[in-house]
Amino acid sequence: DAGVIQSPRHEVTEMGQEVTLRCKPISGHNSLFWYRQTMMRGLELLIYFNNNVPIDDSGMPEDRFSAKMPNASFSTLKIQPSEPRDSAVYFCASSVGGRVSTEAFFGQGTRLTVV
Amino acid sequence: AQTVTQSQPEMSVQEAETVTLSCTYDTSESDYYLFWYKQPPSRQMILVIRQEAYKQQNATENRFSVNFQKAAKSFSLKISDSQLGDAAMYFCAYRIYNTDKLIFGTGTRLQVFP
Repeated sequence: DAGVIQSPRHEVTEMGQEVTLRCKPISGHNSLFWYRQTMMRGLELLIYFNNNVPIDDSGMPEDRFSAKMPNASFSTLKIQPSEPRDSAVYFCASSVGGRVSTEAFFGQGTRLTVV
Repeated sequence: AQTVTQSQPEMSVQEAETVTLSCTYDTSESDYYLFWYKQPPSRQMILVIRQEAYKQQNATENRFSVNFQKAAKSFSLKISDSQLGDAAMYFCAYRIYNTDKLIFGTGTRLQVFP
């Protein structure tokens, strides 16, 4: 398996523009997570899905952020409109899910810069 | 709410020496999992070690071991015989047993000097 695949690896956009980050989880994994990493806050859980259903979106910072998982093999995180303070590395991760102590497997992350 | 605290933003160790990274967590749950992840400059998140809360025995993986103190809600990582390749950010993480929600601390940057 190729692991969790995120695209793009890097994104530079202007303030006010819409940004869409993409993620393909590992085949067979039922849970998918979106994290944001910054120096100040470390790794923040934004939202996670189980069987394509959003379970907990309490970490989504505001209405400008939205996430979807239309099927088991694809998820998006959208920021509209983007702001400079959204600049961070965004990680997608997946895990088998359920009552199994497996770890989450992470993608390579997308470094977002909003200028 | 569950929280994970790493009180050491940065640590350093000399090659071949031993270093311990601290992690505490706050929870009212009795069944959960704890993890240590390593993030080298490549940005890739790599699982180092995991511990199930119901197990009293501390987990070990080669040069990496943990000191799990359930009553104190403490989960420290000990790296023995440190190597240059151990230099990275280290994140402590917590997951409740019957959910998939995985919460991380803010990380500790480890430097290894030759």
